[in-house]
Amino acid sequence: NAGVMQNPRHLVRRRGQEARLRCSPMKGHSHVYWYRQLPEEGLKFMVYLQKENIIDESGMPKERFSAEFPKEGPSILRIQQVVRGDSAAYFCASSPLSGTDTFNSPLHFGNGTRLTVT
Amino acid sequence: AQSVTQLDSHVSVSEGTPVLLRCNYSSSYSPSLFWYVQHPNKGLQLLLKYTSAATLVKGINGFEAEFKKSETSFHLTKPSAHMSDAAEYFCVVSGSTGGFKTIFGAGTRLFVKA
Repeated sequence: NAGVMQNPRHLVRRRGQEARLRCSPMKGHSHVYWYRQLPEEGLKFMVYLQKENIIDESGMPKERFSAEFPKEGPSILRIQQVVRGDSAAYFCASSPLSGTDTFNSPLHFGNGTRLTVT
Repeated sequence: AQSVTQLDSHVSVSEGTPVLLRCNYSSSYSPSLFWYVQHPNKGLQLLLKYTSAATLVKGINGFEAEFKKSETSFHLTKPSAHMSDAAEYFCVVSGSTGGFKTIFGAGTRLFVKA
């Protein structure tokens, strides 16, 4: 039973380019969360998605960042016109439960994508 | 509003000695609390969780944590540290009346000396 799969593991982009980060949740999980981790800091919530719906994007910057979780295929976190401050590790997590059960359900994390903007 | 504070950014212990990683939380209702471990260049792995059942929670790899409502604490302990325990540990609070955000502490890096 494969865990949460993220790719690529490492991504290098020049300033102004686009970065696309992919996340395939665990089999049977329909809830996806994206987090950003800066060096020496904890994880910061960015966005919570269910299939074809964004449930909570309050942690995502209003500009340049977008996320989707289509009916088929992985969830995508897209960063347009990257800047050096976007360099971080981006983690995806999934859970199988919904509603209030989500509060009690642990998240299953991928190994992250480390984005470096040069 | 919720928040979580990990009181130590770094903890260093000798192999075979006890481990204590401290966590305090703030929540206006009964939260769910978790501890996760992150090894270098890896994702986060769940160690244990508290969800309003027993206040002493046992997790994997010999770790346990005690929920103390009066102290708003959820400290992580292990009787005897092993070299493989060296990692970053995150205390996490979850649960909200209006959203699904999970709040992570800033992390405590555990060093284990031989």
